[in-house]
Amino acid sequence: TQLLEQSPQFLSIQEGENLTVYCNSSSVFSSLQWYRQEPGEGPVLLVTVVTGGEVKKLKRLTFQFGDARKDSSLHITAAQPGDTGLYLCAGRTYKYIFGTGTRLKVLA
Amino acid sequence: NAGVTQTPKFRVLKTGQSMTLLCAQDMNHEYMYWYRQDPGMGLRLIHYSVGEGTTAKGEVPDGYNVSRLKKQNFLLGLESAAPSQTSVYFCASRTGQTDTQYFGPGTRLTVL
Repeated sequence: TQLLEQSPQFLSIQEGENLTVYCNSSSVFSSLQWYRQEPGEGPVLLVTVVTGGEVKKLKRLTFQFGDARKDSSLHITAAQPGDTGLYLCAGRTYKYIFGTGTRLKVLA
Repeated sequence: NAGVTQTPKFRVLKTGQSMTLLCAQDMNHEYMYWYRQDPGMGLRLIHYSVGEGTTAKGEVPDGYNVSRLKKQNFLLGLESAAPSQTSVYFCASRTGQTDTQYFGPGTRLTVL
């Protein structure tokens, strides 16, 4: 069974702080995605990274795919209350394997 | 353009009862997926379909059946519900050209 472990599971920080969420696996993926999910809704895709070592930026969010395509990180700079939500990574083989999730709460 | 819709939003069943969850998409997507989401376990793939008339098993298919008679609809059936099937169920769809999955709003199912 392929697993994607995310850490931390929970994170509560003050507005303006920086944070990093990690997504790790022993499996190699052809691509890796990050989603954000708000209560009562389905996940919404933030980004897809495809190449080992690739870095993508989306405003204050920076996503990196590991060189070996087994892991990824999401870094948020100067977090805002609007960043609150559940962050999920998903690795693609012939299907999508979702991570265990990181629940982020940003306090004003 | 409604995207992906799911019916119903909430349902409570007794052990042994059956039900069908409906997923509909209006984006002409080829691929459709059913996931379940449980606390601390992310999303797990139940079944998926790569086109009308085709279905395949995912990670956790036991106790579920699916059908895709029309391209826009993907049905998930529980023949004899068990408490272990209490979960939030999400449907998703995508084209064959991109990796972007579009998710529905979910169905919260409780089996007593």
